[in-house]
Amino acid sequence: AQSVTQPDIHITVSEGASLELRCNYSYGATPYLFWYVQSPGQGLQLLLKYFSGDTLVQGIKGFEAEFKRSQSSFNLRKPSVHWSDAAEYFCAARGGGNKLTFGTGTQLKVEL
Amino acid sequence: GAVVSQHPSRVICKSGTSVKIECRSLDFQATTMFWYRQFPKQSLMLMATSNEGSKATYEQGVEKDKFLINHASLTLSTLTVTSAHPEDSSFYICSQSARRDTDTQYFGPGTRLTVL
Repeated sequence: AQSVTQPDIHITVSEGASLELRCNYSYGATPYLFWYVQSPGQGLQLLLKYFSGDTLVQGIKGFEAEFKRSQSSFNLRKPSVHWSDAAEYFCAARGGGNKLTFGTGTQLKVEL
Repeated sequence: GAVVSQHPSRVICKSGTSVKIECRSLDFQATTMFWYRQFPKQSLMLMATSNEGSKATYEQGVEKDKFLINHASLTLSTLTVTSAHPEDSSFYICSQSARRDTDTQYFGPGTRLTVL
C-alpha cells in the first residue's frame, strides 16, 4: 500500500540552528513529492515539490529538500531556523492518480 | 502562487442544522477540487474529489448524503454538512489544482466547524 512516513512527531530546535525533517515514502514507482507547512488554525502552504530532475529542490522561506531514491526519502532542510518557522510540517506524495497521501506531520518548536 | 479562499473561517451551529462551506480559487481556474477533514493534531483525510463537469467521488467511509459537494463552477466548490452532529466538528480544508499545474494542490485556509 502507498504510504508516507514522518518518523518524528515533535522536533525542537534553537533559533539559528539547522533543521532536518524526515520523510520516507513507500510507492511502487517514484511519486511526486511535496512538503507543506501548516500554521495553527490555517490551511496548508506549499513549500516545495519534486517531480523529476535535480534531486535537490529549493523552496520558499529558505527551505530545501533532497530526494534520495535509494533511501525512499525526501527530507526537508533549512540551514538556519527562525522563530516564525514554528508550525506543523507535512510531507505528501502523489502516485499515478491525483490523490495526495499525507504523512502524519511533524510539529516544529523553535526555542529562542 | 495560486490563491484559494474558504468561507466561513469558523462556524458554530446547533445539532441537526446544515452548514455550507465555500471554497473559491481567486486567481486560477480549478480543474479538480478536493475536500479534506483534519482532526486535532492529526493529518488530513481526503473526503472527496470532484472534477470539472463530474459528480464528486467520495472516499470509502464518507457518507455522500451527509457531506454534499457541489462543484458549481471552475472557481467554486461547496461542501454542505447536512444534519450536523457534534461528531462532525472538525477542521475542513479544501484544495484545488489548476489547469496550468494539475499536479499540484493549493489549499484553502480551512473552516473550523463546531457543532453544539
